[in-house]
Amino acid sequence: GDSVTQMEGPVTLSEEAFLTINCTYTATGYPSLFWYVQYPGEGLQLLLKATKADDKGSNKGFEATYRKETTSFHLEKGSVQVSDSAVYFCALRLFSGGYNKLIFGAGTRLAVHP
Amino acid sequence: NAGVMQNPRHLVRRRGQEARLRCSPMKGHSHVYWYRQLPEEGLKFMVYLQKENIIDESGMPKERFSAEFPKEGPSILRIQQVVRGDSAAYFCASSQEGDRLGREQYFGPGTRLTVT
Repeated sequence: GDSVTQMEGPVTLSEEAFLTINCTYTATGYPSLFWYVQYPGEGLQLLLKATKADDKGSNKGFEATYRKETTSFHLEKGSVQVSDSAVYFCALRLFSGGYNKLIFGAGTRLAVHP
Repeated sequence: NAGVMQNPRHLVRRRGQEARLRCSPMKGHSHVYWYRQLPEEGLKFMVYLQKENIIDESGMPKERFSAEFPKEGPSILRIQQVVRGDSAAYFCASSQEGDRLGREQYFGPGTRLTVT
């Protein structure tokens, strides 16, 4: 079935370090891909998205490229800040049964220390 | 413009009691989705509703769980005779009319249910 797998956390980094959070997916159709971020005590916020192969989503210094050949959508940031500490969810969206369904990965917790 | 609102934010119930979780969608949104997040897991789809209609409840347990989205008022997720395994965070999301283009889903802050 359709699924999303992302690297386990927690990921602990020092401020200004480079971040990569891996995400791979399995889908029967042509999904759109998303990264959501969840700050402590809050709901999920859309961070970035890509709707077709080779698209690059970017926002707030974060980037992810839709790689169809490797079925991946890895999240990267060149220099993390303490304020980036949160849980990051990779998700895919498929049009199925007449509406769009979101399928999430398990989430990766990021802790950034000064 | 207020976002998606959920209440209560935290709910404690004893085994066998009922839990009622409420979700008010964003203004202008007529589609509501409920998700459950078990500890250390991702969000799992439960049910998709439009006003007065359940469109897809394939992710909802067959027993004890029900959902509604009345013409007036918030969407309600009801869990009867709660058990410890129901302890989780329950998130609601809303969107405008669903279509193939895929209207974005906006998430609420969640209700954290603890069953003692």
